[in-house]
Amino acid sequence: SQTIHQWPATLVQPVGSPLSLECTVEGTSNPNLYWYRQAAGRGLQLLFYSVGIGQISSEVPQNLSASRPQDRQFILSSKKLLLSDSGFYLCAWARTLYGYTFGSGTRLTVV
Amino acid sequence: KQEVTQIPAALSVPEGENLVLNCSFTDSAIYNLQWFRQDPGKGLTSLLLIQSSQREQTSGRLNASLDKSSGRSTLYIAASQPGDSATYLCAGRSNDYKLSFGAGTTVTVRA
Repeated sequence: SQTIHQWPATLVQPVGSPLSLECTVEGTSNPNLYWYRQAAGRGLQLLFYSVGIGQISSEVPQNLSASRPQDRQFILSSKKLLLSDSGFYLCAWARTLYGYTFGSGTRLTVV
Repeated sequence: KQEVTQIPAALSVPEGENLVLNCSFTDSAIYNLQWFRQDPGKGLTSLLLIQSSQREQTSGRLNASLDKSSGRSTLYIAASQPGDSATYLCAGRSNDYKLSFGAGTTVTVRA
């Protein structure tokens, strides 16, 4: 069966520090991978998606970047965090005819 | 771009009552529609996935319908229980691999 792992579960980082969130998928190959952010009291916003290794599409201009170094690994990064980067970050995977499966999320607080 | 709207934003019902959650979308060329449940501080759990060729899906006490011509989907939860209290999100996937979310309906089932 397919599983998705996302870590860490919670993170408190100072303004200006770097960020690296990792997501890995097991039990499937060549999935579409996604990063979403859910700010407090707001809906889910698509940040990045990837249809293959090294292929990244950005949905909104922001302080973040994404990379896909391996087929089942998706990384969300920042060189310098802003207060506005705080939120709940969710990784997801999808394949044709399947729905989306989400990870358990990372709660990021920038202080 | 797919726009998804959920009404009502919040719903409170006594235990045993049936729940009806509404979702509307703007792009009738929808690939599939998925209903999720989110508990406070947690990730998204997939409830039902309806492909564009289907009219409805059922799982236990849950039934979801899809009407592409009117741009609507409805999630029915029969005989609600306090454990059904959560936020329910609907999301429509277009052919561009992206999932667009509604803002969610927060459900409270009173014992």
